[in-house]
Amino acid sequence: EVVLTQSPGTLSLSPGERATLSCRASQSVSSSHLVWYQQRPGQAPRLLIYGASSRAPGIPDRFSGSGSGTDFSLTISRLEPEDFAVYYCQQYHSAPLTFGGGTQVELK
Amino acid sequence: QVQLVESGGGVVQPGGSLRLSCAASGFIFSDYGMHWVRQAPGKGLEWVAFIGLDENDRYYGDSVKGRFTISRENSKNKVSLQMNSLRVEDTALYYCAKDFFVGPGEQESWGQGTLVSVSS
Repeated sequence: EVVLTQSPGTLSLSPGERATLSCRASQSVSSSHLVWYQQRPGQAPRLLIYGASSRAPGIPDRFSGSGSGTDFSLTISRLEPEDFAVYYCQQYHSAPLTFGGGTQVELK
Repeated sequence: QVQLVESGGGVVQPGGSLRLSCAASGFIFSDYGMHWVRQAPGKGLEWVAFIGLDENDRYYGDSVKGRFTISRENSKNKVSLQMNSLRVEDTALYYCAKDFFVGPGEQESWGQGTLVSVSS
């Protein structure tokens, strides 16, 4: 099983600041098979980034993803109030599919 | 637009069974793989199961393998999750999700979830 470790667990930032979230895999994962989701409080998750770096339809361009192999990252260039949420990475390089533990981006 | 509506959640005793259903609309159901993902109270996401276009194409998370069975009825645009030998740690909000395509791949659309509580 591929274990995904996300860091930090919590990120305390202010609107307008830049957020950088990390996702590290226990073994190499094809970048085509690494995705990011956003989950706002009380809501279902929403697909944010697929293929490590492609934005899903309707996702603003302040969100960007990068990485390869075992190290991936999600960057939010300038935080908007609606971006304060929990972010999860997921791999489907091999079954079982696995999620990281999540990073909460909270208001400082 | 894509709509996924889960049902069948409830309270069940440890060792019991429950069957979840997900009614899909807004897309050609038979063309897409489907997933179940769960979230324990206050915890992160855990992928549970996937079914492809063919019922032979099924995958499960390690924690549910041998106890849960995913199935689909294309004629009814429905995917189900039969959960047997339930444990306290199966307590969670269970989401149904549509794959981006055949899968298993990213979960492109999600329902609002149905709550399962396993307690004596």
